Amino acid sequence: AQTVTQSQPEMSVQEAETVTLSCTYDTSESDYYLFWYKQPPSRQMILVIRQEAYKQQNATENRFSVNFQKAAKSFSLKISDSQLGDAAMYFCAYRSPPFYGGATNKLIFGTGTLLAVQP
Amino acid sequence: EAGVTQFPSHSVIEKGQTVTLRCDPISGHDNLYWYRRVMGKEIKFLLHFVKESKQDESGMPNNRFLAERTGGTYSTLKVQPAELEDSGVYFCASSLPQNKETQYFGPGTRLLVL
Repeated sequence: AQTVTQSQPEMSVQEAETVTLSCTYDTSESDYYLFWYKQPPSRQMILVIRQEAYKQQNATENRFSVNFQKAAKSFSLKISDSQLGDAAMYFCAYRSPPFYGGATNKLIFGTGTLLAVQP
Repeated sequence: EAGVTQFPSHSVIEKGQTVTLRCDPISGHDNLYWYRRVMGKEIKFLLHFVKESKQDESGMPNNRFLAERTGGTYSTLKVQPAELEDSGVYFCASSLPQNKETQYFGPGTRLLVL
């Protein structure tokens, strides 16, 4: 079974600085999807960034980028130029590749990293 | 366009009572998922609907949990009777019919069983 581990329960960063959140996973599958979701306080969870395992290029979304190391099964999130609005719980998630016939698309999550941004 | 909505936002009940959570997915999203996060732990999958059919219910903890999605629109998750360990945040998510699509989450229902 696949597992996702986030070893940093809490992190803190100064405004405008860069922070990296770590995520490792375990799987025997060769193709899969990885995600970072963000949940601000009392607000709903939103997708930050998504990586498809067959793509070697690291995904980027504005100030957010990932360091995807498939062999090491590592998927870290880098937030550049941190802003106060980045303060949130960040969840790393794994999903198996889709199969025809409608196999489940369930997400497997880590325990989350609570990021604080200091002004 | 409205996002995924969930009702209620909070619920406090006593052990042995019944609670029903509701999820309204984004219009046009055939896939609907329920997840749960127990305090301090990871978010865990409960089940997956495709329209009104249960595609995967492997994450349902026991038969005290009943999920329905009549008509393939909104879904309900009933816990009867509730136990202390059922406390947590229940999330609903939905996605478009294609298997590769991103799941969009609702704000969650915070359930506390006393």
